[in-house]
Amino acid sequence: SQQGEEDPQALSIQEGENATMNCSYKTSINNLQWYRQNSGRGLVHLILIRSNEREKHSGRLRVTLDTSKKSSSLLITASRAADTASYFCATAVGSGGYNKLIFGAGTRLAVHP
Amino acid sequence: DSGVTQTPKHLITATGQRVTLRCSPRSGDLSVYWYQQSLDQGLQFLIQYYNGEERAKGNILERFSAQQFPDLHSELNLSSLELGDSALYFCASSSRASGTSGPQETQYFGPGTRLLVL
Repeated sequence: SQQGEEDPQALSIQEGENATMNCSYKTSINNLQWYRQNSGRGLVHLILIRSNEREKHSGRLRVTLDTSKKSSSLLITASRAADTASYFCATAVGSGGYNKLIFGAGTRLAVHP
Repeated sequence: DSGVTQTPKHLITATGQRVTLRCSPRSGDLSVYWYQQSLDQGLQFLIQYYNGEERAKGNILERFSAQQFPDLHSELNLSSLELGDSALYFCASSSRASGTSGPQETQYFGPGTRLLVL
């Protein structure tokens, strides 16, 4: 079964609004990564936050990680129609130098002009 | 463009058949991962190779196998196909990046191969 669960499953907002997506997971992780997928196409890596980090920013993206609650959130500020996509969190678990990614079910974000 | 290439983009075949999906990692990446994305199971890790050797296995069926060649490209072989094998198959590659809190590499995904089994 998937480790991550994302909330909400779907989100519909207007351009300019902020979008917040949450992710919960079950086991210890090395890091947590967020990916975007446009309509059944490839996954685009957005941001990686390590297990010893609490917050990270990249452009309009802000990611937080709370390892005590085993949860993360992705905030997209000032959303644009082009942000319409599915967003997945992926927890990186592994040892010996490499991780496997365990994905959540994703949040479908629709940004309306 | 992630630098990871996958062929073919689309594949339509019949039940019972065998297909081969191909992946070329980003230049310099030694590690290749395969994932399956289906409507009912979501995105699932299948298998990982590093420099030609199998490193980790996930929810990969016995009918499926993979290998990584000396030039680092990888192939995923799916045999005795069933309707439920219809899915998007992604390949990802990474280079090693260690950290005090464990391995920290970013995986870069290819565009995927969409398999339809009729």
